[in-house]
Amino acid sequence: GAVVSQHPSWVICKSGTSVKIECRSLDFQATTMFWYRQFPKQSLMLMATSNEGSKATYEQGVEKDKFLINHASLTLSTLTVTSAHPEDSSFYICSARLSGRPQHFGDGTRLSIL
Amino acid sequence: AQSVTQPDIHITVSEGASLELRCNYSYGATPYLFWYVQSPGQGLQLLLKYFSGDTLVQGIKGFEAEFKRSQSSFNLRKPSVHWSDAAEYFCAVGANSGNTPLVFGKGTRLSVIA
Repeated sequence: GAVVSQHPSWVICKSGTSVKIECRSLDFQATTMFWYRQFPKQSLMLMATSNEGSKATYEQGVEKDKFLINHASLTLSTLTVTSAHPEDSSFYICSARLSGRPQHFGDGTRLSIL
Repeated sequence: AQSVTQPDIHITVSEGASLELRCNYSYGATPYLFWYVQSPGQGLQLLLKYFSGDTLVQGIKGFEAEFKRSQSSFNLRKPSVHWSDAAEYFCAVGANSGNTPLVFGKGTRLSVIA
């Protein structure tokens, strides 16, 4: 069964609204969580890495004020897309990892901004 | 820096024919290697992984992959392709320690014809 739960799986909202995506590790404590973005017909690109209780590390070109990441506990990380616009429409995938162990991926969230 | 190259963007094979998807990697340390499959609009499904030991790895759905250190390759194979194998395939590389994220190739889209 799934070891990483991502919610919601699909969201449609109006331009200018903020959207929160949750990522939970179900049966292990994730020391690190990763957020990826995947545009249509492209590969997964790492957006940021977050460790519990500390600020996320963003990849070059990813706006930290646009994509707010909160890693409040060892089992929960959230990604908030603030003031979303159509160009933010994408497939967002989270991943969780316990140090030294393989990454587990959520099923992704399809975000559509109208 | 670590990187993954999947030279073939799109491959078309006939149902029942054999398949080989190529993957080359560049990694400074001992790599963990993975193959994932993604159907349209879906998340990632892990096909197989290599950590150490036997360089020929068996996965789900009849797939296998062979790690060749001298060639920095981890090619995916299947002896007889089924129409349901049509999907996007991603090769990924990561560290076997710490909390570094997986790095993905650009993917190979597999089409299966009758």
